[in-house]
Amino acid sequence: DVKVTQSSRYLVKRTGEKVFLECVQDMDHENMFWYRQDPGLGLRLIYFSYDVKMKEKGDIPEGYSVSREKKERFSLILESASTNQTSMYLCASSLAGRATNEKLFFGSGTQLSVL
Amino acid sequence: GNSVTQMEGPVTLSEEAFLTINCTYTATGYPSLFWYVQYPGEGLQLLLKATKADDKGSNKGFEATYRKETTSFHLEKGSVQVSDSAVYFCALLSGNTGKLIFGQGTTLQVKP
Repeated sequence: DVKVTQSSRYLVKRTGEKVFLECVQDMDHENMFWYRQDPGLGLRLIYFSYDVKMKEKGDIPEGYSVSREKKERFSLILESASTNQTSMYLCASSLAGRATNEKLFFGSGTQLSVL
Repeated sequence: GNSVTQMEGPVTLSEEAFLTINCTYTATGYPSLFWYVQYPGEGLQLLLKATKADDKGSNKGFEATYRKETTSFHLEKGSVQVSDSAVYFCALLSGNTGKLIFGQGTTLQVKP
């Protein structure tokens, strides 16, 4: 069965800390994505990657960066966490090619609280 | 730009009631349309899709019809169950960018 695993379900960090959110998929998917989910705003795309070592900015990349050193792993980095980055973070993956993005496979999410 | 608007929730229904969750979209070209569902404590999963005008997507008793004339893709189910309690997201796939664009999500709570 297809699986996208996010390393932490809940995370509490302090303002100014550097935060790493890890995501691993076991489906040999080319495409990986990071979204944040906020009440009333739905899902907003932060960054995505269509290949190893490749990354593209989504709609709200400010304050974030990503790393994709291996095909199966896509990390989201908060360089200096701020309270407005408190949110649910969702990782997703899909097969190669833009058309396949219609079927994203999602992880269970990481609820990050920045105090 | 492309966008998706859903009806505000939460929606609270009794078991076996009829469900409608409204979704309208704004897009250039001819996007594909989707409903995703998020059960408590889980990630989103694809519920159904429609790729062109007048197509009807269906799955697990849920249906939605792609209406180009009204730019809508409303989700319906004739008789909801407690197990349908979840957050439902309408989405479109932008052909230009290859990105999925999600609506705000609508929380459905079904009471026994």
